[in-house]
Amino acid sequence: NAGVTQTPKFQVLKTGQSMTLQCAQDMNHNSMYWYRQDPGMGLRLIYYSASEGTTDKGEVPNGYNVSRLNKREFSLRLESAAPSQTSVCFCASSPLERERAKAFFGQGTRLTVV
Amino acid sequence: QKEVEQDPGPLSVPEGAIVSLNCTYSNSAFQYFMWYRQYSRKGPELLMYTYSSGNKEDGRFTAQVDKSSKYISLFIRDSQPSDSATYLCAMTPPGHDYKLSFGAGTTVTVRA
Repeated sequence: NAGVTQTPKFQVLKTGQSMTLQCAQDMNHNSMYWYRQDPGMGLRLIYYSASEGTTDKGEVPNGYNVSRLNKREFSLRLESAAPSQTSVCFCASSPLERERAKAFFGQGTRLTVV
Repeated sequence: QKEVEQDPGPLSVPEGAIVSLNCTYSNSAFQYFMWYRQYSRKGPELLMYTYSSGNKEDGRFTAQVDKSSKYISLFIRDSQPSDSATYLCAMTPPGHDYKLSFGAGTTVTVRA
């Protein structure tokens, strides 16, 4: 019963480096999301994919890009990492409309940019 | 001003006490209201989901929504040490139910 699986769990990057965070869900959910969590700020939406083949910007998309590879997988890419991107990144998924607010989260990736 | 305000605490209570958590919000269009529980170094997990004003009960947990006051609450009865976690409120407007707006979270410690 895996749910939402993210890799890696921890990552340290140097300023300017690039990397991709991977996310996969096995619940046959249509919608997938990437959030970031910063101390005292709750979770903020980076990007979302309402369904396979579509992606849209959330509240804090700058410095990130996403790819919805298929229904199961949704990756987050940092093209040129910046210290302001130090945060915990969470991938989430949710089922069909009228249930989309019920998001299921992965365990998170602790990202540090030095 | 943030759309969703939540007292960050921390809140420390003895085992068996009632825990009361609150959030206020500014967007009167919010329609779905959720409470998530997040254990340390884990992802949030959905605890309660409500659609309208009123109360919803699930075991020791009760969620209240007062849309006229733009105020939601979560009550935990007979609190246990295993309830020690950060509790996040979240809400979303109709037609954009994928855009969750989160509170900052309240950290709760239940002392044995």
